[in-house]
Amino acid sequence: DAKTTQPTSMDCAEGRAANLPCNHSTISGNEYVYWYRQIHSQGPQYIIHGLKNNETNEMASLIITEDRKSSTLILPHATLRDTAVYYCIAGGASNYKLTFGKGTLLTVNP
Amino acid sequence: DVKVTQSSRYLVKRTGEKVFLECVQDMDHENMFWYRQDPGLGLRLIYFSYDVKMKEKGDIPEGYSVSREKKERFSLILESASTNQTSMYLCATQGDSGGSYNEQFFGPGTRLTVL
Repeated sequence: DAKTTQPTSMDCAEGRAANLPCNHSTISGNEYVYWYRQIHSQGPQYIIHGLKNNETNEMASLIITEDRKSSTLILPHATLRDTAVYYCIAGGASNYKLTFGKGTLLTVNP
Repeated sequence: DVKVTQSSRYLVKRTGEKVFLECVQDMDHENMFWYRQDPGLGLRLIYFSYDVKMKEKGDIPEGYSVSREKKERFSLILESASTNQTSMYLCATQGDSGGSYNEQFFGPGTRLTVL
């Protein structure tokens, strides 16, 4: 699986968009980008995944650059409950073995 | 909603004890996983199972074994607990749709302390 690099921490004001970057410069052509998050004292929760097209669901949007070397997870209107560690993972299409790195601690401030 | 339950939220054991951590899911998922999570190291895969009685080693299987006798239940066994196995243990499940990605659903975790 390709290695991913994320900032250690980020802050965001409540109600504003949170943009979380992820670098995956060694990603291969058939590897997807997955995002999970972990709220304190809970297990990780799936957010979204994509291959090369931008994706949107009820939780977030995923923007993948054309060269696929980086991506951005967007939470359009962050709330205090979005404070969590966000993990960006690169892996195969039916990847059952997720390699979680250290992630980005997003703190949403009132 | 998928429900993944783990037998205990907190557990304290002594060095050398045999420890069983149980995970039960109610969604008929084929795949089940055991991870441990430590500060600064993220989540690391210990073992996973893709069917009853089937298992594969993850990244850090040493000191652990697993058992899957029924589809809904996946047990992690520490044969002889050691202090370096003090950690948060997370169970996850995943359906298998043959090629496309299915999300993993995680349990709440068991915080194990080995004294």
